[in-house]
Amino acid sequence: DQQVKQNSPSLSVQEGRISILNCDYTNSMFDYFLWYKKYPAEGPTFLISISSIKDKNEDGRFTVFLNKSAKHLSLHIVPSQPGDSAVYFCAAIPTSGTYKYIFGTGTRLKVLA
Amino acid sequence: DAGITQSPRHKVTETGTPVTLRCHQTENHRYMYWYRQDPGHGLRLIHYSYGVKDTDKGEVSDGYSVSRSKTEDFLLTLESATSSQTSVYFCAISESMGLGYGYTFGSGTRLTVV
Repeated sequence: DQQVKQNSPSLSVQEGRISILNCDYTNSMFDYFLWYKKYPAEGPTFLISISSIKDKNEDGRFTVFLNKSAKHLSLHIVPSQPGDSAVYFCAAIPTSGTYKYIFGTGTRLKVLA
Repeated sequence: DAGITQSPRHKVTETGTPVTLRCHQTENHRYMYWYRQDPGHGLRLIHYSYGVKDTDKGEVSDGYSVSRSKTEDFLLTLESATSSQTSVYFCAISESMGLGYGYTFGSGTRLTVV
């Protein structure tokens, strides 16, 4: 069973507009959430994270929102740039003590110039 | 660069043959992981290591084995490759398993089993 889900496999956005990537999870025992970005032929790279005790974390153009009651997190990119075109994975870390990441299925973002 | 390299970058092999992928790090990190990336499944953990000679299974470990005889090297072996193991394989390292310790990923190995 997929505990972390990204229901939109792809998203296209015009340059300068907001990109919103969504992630849902089923297990309430997650302590920490992260977003990774992946370009073709490269490994994923860390983008931004959020602790379960917060509902928002901001880093420049990137903001992650966490809604624990809905078991939902989202990544907002404002303004979107062509260089943001990549696959984005959300990941969750359970409280079980093993701290192994559980990744979502990924969303391919295309920012149109 | 982050000091993690995977070899080979690409490999084509025949069904039934053994294959070994190598992950090498120069960061002296304790934890190393092998993931596979497949469309519709994202990144799934195959095996991980929490020290020399200390390894454990992930969620998709069937058909795979690993070895870690040195801190810097983590080997993934497909004992008898099958077409379902055609995938992109990523190695990752982390300094600790605690919250806030991010993973650093290698560039991946694209494996095709024909």
